[in-house]
Amino acid sequence: KNEVEQSPQNLTAQEGEFITINCSYSVGISALHWLQQHPGGGIVSLFMLSSGKKKHGRLIATINIQEKHSSLHITASHPRDSAVYICAVRSGGGADGLTFGKGTHLIIQP
Amino acid sequence: DARVTQTPRHKVTEMGQEVTMRCQPILGHNTVFWYRQTMMQGLELLAYFRNRAPLDDSGMPKDRFSAEMPDATLATLKIQPSEPRDSAVYFCASGLVSKHDRGRETQYFGPGTRLLVL
Repeated sequence: KNEVEQSPQNLTAQEGEFITINCSYSVGISALHWLQQHPGGGIVSLFMLSSGKKKHGRLIATINIQEKHSSLHITASHPRDSAVYICAVRSGGGADGLTFGKGTHLIIQP
Repeated sequence: DARVTQTPRHKVTEMGQEVTMRCQPILGHNTVFWYRQTMMQGLELLAYFRNRAPLDDSGMPKDRFSAEMPDATLATLKIQPSEPRDSAVYFCASGLVSKHDRGRETQYFGPGTRLLVL
């Protein structure tokens, strides 16, 4: 079973700061997902990666398959970015559901 | 705006009672997942279906949980009998996977069913 570790667990930053959240996993994967869970509980899929880098607005996600590591970056952070960010991996073969990290609780202060 | 719907959104019940949670996946999606979220364990996969066939339910306590897809527009998760430790938020997610992209589909999450078993 894949072990998914996220760091940091909690992060408080000032508005405008550059944010980095890290995710590492133990076994080769077919895809890695970054999810955002809002304070109300809803979950939104931000990115799905199998290689390289993706960008959407102020969010950037990268993955290094050899090192089994992914990062989620937020540029020019804003209080509305405050949420829990969850890394999840799909193991190879397409036969498994997602295995989740514990999440990073991000607070952006104005 | 297509989205996954779940009912009920909240459920409070007493230990021993049967609980049924329902999920309507996005029309056309062929994969449905059930996840459970607790403070202690975070998010965990319970079961998932592809083209209505169960592919993996190893995350479910088999003696009390059952998951079915009576048709392509409805997935159900049933707990009988319920126990206080089943209290959690249960999420359904759906996705569309092709033969060539297996394991790489985006999953769309429903709003969840918040279950409290007293």
